[in-house]
Amino acid sequence: DQQVKQNSPSLSVQEGRISILNCDYTNSMFDYFLWYKKYPAEGPTFLISISSIKDKNEDGRFTVFLNKSAKHLSLHIVPSQPGDSAVYFCAATPGAQKLVFGQGTRLTINP
Amino acid sequence: NAGVMQNPRHLVRRRGQEARLRCSPMKGHSHVYWYRQLPEEGLKFMVYLQKENIIDESGMPKERFSAEFPKEGPSILRIQQVVRGDSAAYFCASSPLLAGFTDTQYFGPGTRLTVL
Repeated sequence: DQQVKQNSPSLSVQEGRISILNCDYTNSMFDYFLWYKKYPAEGPTFLISISSIKDKNEDGRFTVFLNKSAKHLSLHIVPSQPGDSAVYFCAATPGAQKLVFGQGTRLTINP
Repeated sequence: NAGVMQNPRHLVRRRGQEARLRCSPMKGHSHVYWYRQLPEEGLKFMVYLQKENIIDESGMPKERFSAEFPKEGPSILRIQQVVRGDSAAYFCASSPLLAGFTDTQYFGPGTRLTVL
C-alpha cells in the first residue's frame, strides 16, 4: 500500500529551465509534507516543507505547491542548476510522527 | 553545529552475526527516528524513540531487531543474527521537542550494512 507515490522515476531538464517534480498521496490524515534531496552515499537533505493549511511555500529557487483536493504536491526548481542533479524524495506525515516517503525521482540537469 | 551523526558509516557482517548501529541526534533534539532504504527504493520507517521511550515501532520487524535511546549516549539500532536481506542503508533522523508542532526531521549520513 503505497501511500505516497512519485510516478516519475527520472526527469531530465536543461540547465536554467524549470524542474517540476510531482508527488501524489492517498492518506487524508497527512498534514505536513516535505521534500528531501539525496546524493549517492549520503543522507537525505531537507529542502522545503509545507503545512496542509497552506497551498504554497517558497524558499529561494524552490517552491512547493499543495493541492489538497487532488492530494497532489509538486516541487518547482527555477532556474535549475547542475548541482541540483540528485534523487528527490517527497515525504508526508500525519503529525510529529513517522515520515512516509515516495520512491524518489532522479533529476538530471543537463548543461 | 554538528548535524546528526551515525557510526559506523559502513558495516560488514557475516550471516548470523550481530550488527549495532549508532545515532547521535543534533544538539537540542530529543526525538530519534530510524529508517531503512533497500536498493532502488524509498526510505521506510522503522522506529520512533524519545529518551528512554519507544513511541512507535510499527515499522520494525518483529524478530531480531531492537532499538533503544538511553538517557545518556546515542540511540542504538541492534540487529541480531543478520541475514542477507538485512543488507541496506540505515538512516537515523532527529527532530526537536516542540509540543504541538510537526517538526522537520534532519537525517544523518547513514550506515551501509552489508551481510556476506
